[in-house]
Amino acid sequence: GAVVSQHPSWVICKSGTSVKIECRSLDFQATTMFWYRQFPKQSLMLMATSNEGSKATYEQGVEKDKFLINHASLTLSTLTVTSAHPEDSSFYICSARAGGPGELFFGEGSRLTVL
Amino acid sequence: GENVEQHPSTLSVQEGDSAVIKCTYSDSASNYFPWYKQELGKRPQLIIDIRSNVGEKKDQRIAVTLNKTAKHFSLHITETQPEDSAVYFCAASFTGTSYGKLTFGQGTILTVHP
Repeated sequence: GAVVSQHPSWVICKSGTSVKIECRSLDFQATTMFWYRQFPKQSLMLMATSNEGSKATYEQGVEKDKFLINHASLTLSTLTVTSAHPEDSSFYICSARAGGPGELFFGEGSRLTVL
Repeated sequence: GENVEQHPSTLSVQEGDSAVIKCTYSDSASNYFPWYKQELGKRPQLIIDIRSNVGEKKDQRIAVTLNKTAKHFSLHITETQPEDSAVYFCAASFTGTSYGKLTFGQGTILTVHP
């Protein structure tokens, strides 16, 4: 299957700093990528849809100025958590579809801990 | 938007027994229904999916059924093994647009006892 790689796999930062997470499609081009957030023992909640070359579409309740998404190429989308706070600590997972409707491929996930 | 409800939240079975997880969805336009298995701290892995033009699909010990009229679909795992223990998520999406974003159910923690 298609491969989606996410980096870093885990990061610890101080409150108030910004953290960037990268999501790459390694063997296919992804015009659309999705960013999910998962709290412990909970489901995956869609944060935003990342569109190559245009602005991301955010889900209701997700602050676009806090979670900056950039999809500058067909293989890379980035999520930047700005001015992170302890409540932003979570597992962030990106996903992409390898052309056409159907299976979503997920990255390994990035565990963010904000101290 | 789409809303997916999943039950039960936890399921405990003995090795060799069958396990059934059920989901309902709200948007009648949804036409793609995947099931994902997620082990602790890892990415979700697709185990089976079904599209709205079929009512049932089977892959070895795993099967999924879909009732479009009632807007519910189920995952069936037969002859369960301890390595089946994980969190299972159902999801639904409408693939008629280039986005096709997935909405996930709340998840079911399956524990298979040896």
